[in-house]
Amino acid sequence: LAKTTQPISMDSYEGQEVNITCSHNNIATNDYITWYQQFPSQGPRFIIQGYKTKVTNEVASLFIPADRKSSTLSLPRVSLSDTAVYYCLVGDDRGSTLGRLYFGRGTQLTVWP
Amino acid sequence: DGGITQSPKYLFRKEGQNVTLSCEQNLNHDAMYWYRQDPGQGLRLIYYSQIVNDFQKGDIAEGYSVSREKKESFPLTVTSAQKNPTAFYLCASRGSMETQYFGPGTRLLVL
Repeated sequence: LAKTTQPISMDSYEGQEVNITCSHNNIATNDYITWYQQFPSQGPRFIIQGYKTKVTNEVASLFIPADRKSSTLSLPRVSLSDTAVYYCLVGDDRGSTLGRLYFGRGTQLTVWP
Repeated sequence: DGGITQSPKYLFRKEGQNVTLSCEQNLNHDAMYWYRQDPGQGLRLIYYSQIVNDFQKGDIAEGYSVSREKKESFPLTVTSAQKNPTAFYLCASRGSMETQYFGPGTRLLVL
């Protein structure tokens, strides 16, 4: 029941900008797009969430085109500590409905010195 | 200090034994979730509960059971029917108009 598709792995070097794209062709009108970060042996941690256009916080930016069938998480100037798995989710994450969310396999980002 | 706690951090199970993983939250969230994560894999939903005294099966509920007698607590029992229980178990909670918050996880190992 995967609702999203993202690359299994990506590599980068310290100081570079990293863009991870997620495909969600069947996104529903009420769905938000949410990204989580997970370090080994820890629970996932919320990074950013958006509905359309662009959202930016102190950690990342999220770009969503008009058709909302994909989204791109942008991490500026990554460091070694950004090495983690990044999950893209679509769902009514902040709506009044408290149903399930769908996690895929995520993208393993490895940052090299 | 609000958050989600899971205990124990490591749990060992003998063959044929039932074990219970604890999950407690003081965020006043209505919904709670249990996920299983195997090495190199994503999160798979075991059970979730949207309100006290109610819960639904996720994608891999066989061999597991839950209860939701209190809003703050959502314990997961791994029964002897679960033949491959070794995994990392994550609990999460969510309130209306909020995103999911995850606990630190419990690693279950079979002796």
